[in-house]
Amino acid sequence: NAGVTQTPKFQVLKTGQSMTLQCAQDMNHEYMSWYRQDPGMGLRLIHYSVGAGITDQGEVPNGYNVSRSTTEDFPLRLLSAAPSQTSVYFCASTTGVSGTGELFFGEGSRLTVL
Amino acid sequence: GESVGLHLPTLSVQEGDNSIINCAYSNSASDYFIWYKQESGKGPQFIIDIRSNMDKRQGQRVTVLLNKTVKHLSLQIAATQPGDSAVYFCAERLNDYKLSFGAGTTVTVRA
Repeated sequence: NAGVTQTPKFQVLKTGQSMTLQCAQDMNHEYMSWYRQDPGMGLRLIHYSVGAGITDQGEVPNGYNVSRSTTEDFPLRLLSAAPSQTSVYFCASTTGVSGTGELFFGEGSRLTVL
Repeated sequence: GESVGLHLPTLSVQEGDNSIINCAYSNSASDYFIWYKQESGKGPQFIIDIRSNMDKRQGQRVTVLLNKTVKHLSLQIAATQPGDSAVYFCAERLNDYKLSFGAGTTVTVRA
């Protein structure tokens, strides 16, 4: 049982480049989300989705886009990377449409923007 | 056992002692709280949760206490083991779709 799988685990970008962080879950969870983790700031919600075709913004959505074409996948896109987006990104999912129960997290994607 | 004051980022505890990790939350209307554990290089893992209609909930070696009067949450770990070394986050439910996480406390277990 793979759970929540994130790729890539590490990525270095130059300012202005674009990229997509991939997230897939095999638990048939309706709710999926992206968090970023910065030192001393805990986890902050970027975007979330309560089902295929439905997405919404979290606390820090600027500079990021998401889409949810299938139940399994929830990619996070950085259109024009900035140094402020250097962070560790976590994808999480849970059953039901509420993202406030037990979240299952991936192992993270560490992004550095130069 | 040893305890951490509110918002202290680190806790060092002797193996076998009890640990107490404290957390303050911001919204007096929050009705649900969760503790997560994050080991180095991994994603957070659910430990235990508690609803606002409870003061205490126990799990395996862990107890969560909720004091709504002062908006304070604590996680107690009994007989701390080396595998308990991790960062611990509290989280409160803001609404149906969002959790707000604290900054985390790094627990180091001394042999």
